[in-house]
Amino acid sequence: AQTVTQSQPEMSVQEAETVTLSCTYDTSENNYYLFWYKQPPSRQMILVIRQEAYKQQNATENRFSVNFQKAAKSFSLKISDSQLGDTAMYFCAFLGYTGANSKLTFGKGITLSVRP
Amino acid sequence: GAVVSQHPSRVICKSGTSVKIECRSLDFQATTMFWYRQFPKQSLMLMATSNEGSKATYEQGVEKDKFLINHASLTLSTLTVTSAHPEDSSFYICSAIDYRNQPQHFGDGTRLSIL
Repeated sequence: AQTVTQSQPEMSVQEAETVTLSCTYDTSENNYYLFWYKQPPSRQMILVIRQEAYKQQNATENRFSVNFQKAAKSFSLKISDSQLGDTAMYFCAFLGYTGANSKLTFGKGITLSVRP
Repeated sequence: GAVVSQHPSRVICKSGTSVKIECRSLDFQATTMFWYRQFPKQSLMLMATSNEGSKATYEQGVEKDKFLINHASLTLSTLTVTSAHPEDSSFYICSAIDYRNQPQHFGDGTRLSIL
């Protein structure tokens, strides 16, 4: 079974600065998806970015980018030019292609606070 | 984009009441829907997976008779918390996928409080 580890429970960043959220995972699969979800105080689950494991190029979405290291099983999220609206809980998630692995496995999450 | 509507958003009821939560995919056909439970400041815990027209698959430790799931159509799944007690108070979130299988589209969640 796959596992997702987010070892930092909380982080804080000054507005306009850059912050990196770490995530590692463990799986025996070769093909899979990785996601970062944002959950603001409203508790909506918002997809921030996704990465397909077969793609070597790191995914980017505006101010959000990932550093995907497949061999190291690492999938960190970088938020550039942090904004107050980025304050939220962030979850890293793994999705395998087949069978029991075709359901999202979430990390414990990290609470990010952006300071004005 | 794909929209999942979840109702109600907030429920407060007395112990012993049964509560039904609906999850609808508004602009796509959801081949599979998922139900999660989330405690404050914690991660989402998958409760069950439901496929249209078949019985739900429950995760280990989730009581099937307590949490009844029905997925009668490609756009609607319901979670019924039967004879709810205070320990069932939590945030419940549904999600749905279409034939492309990913990503999951989440509803806005239901905050359930049992007095």
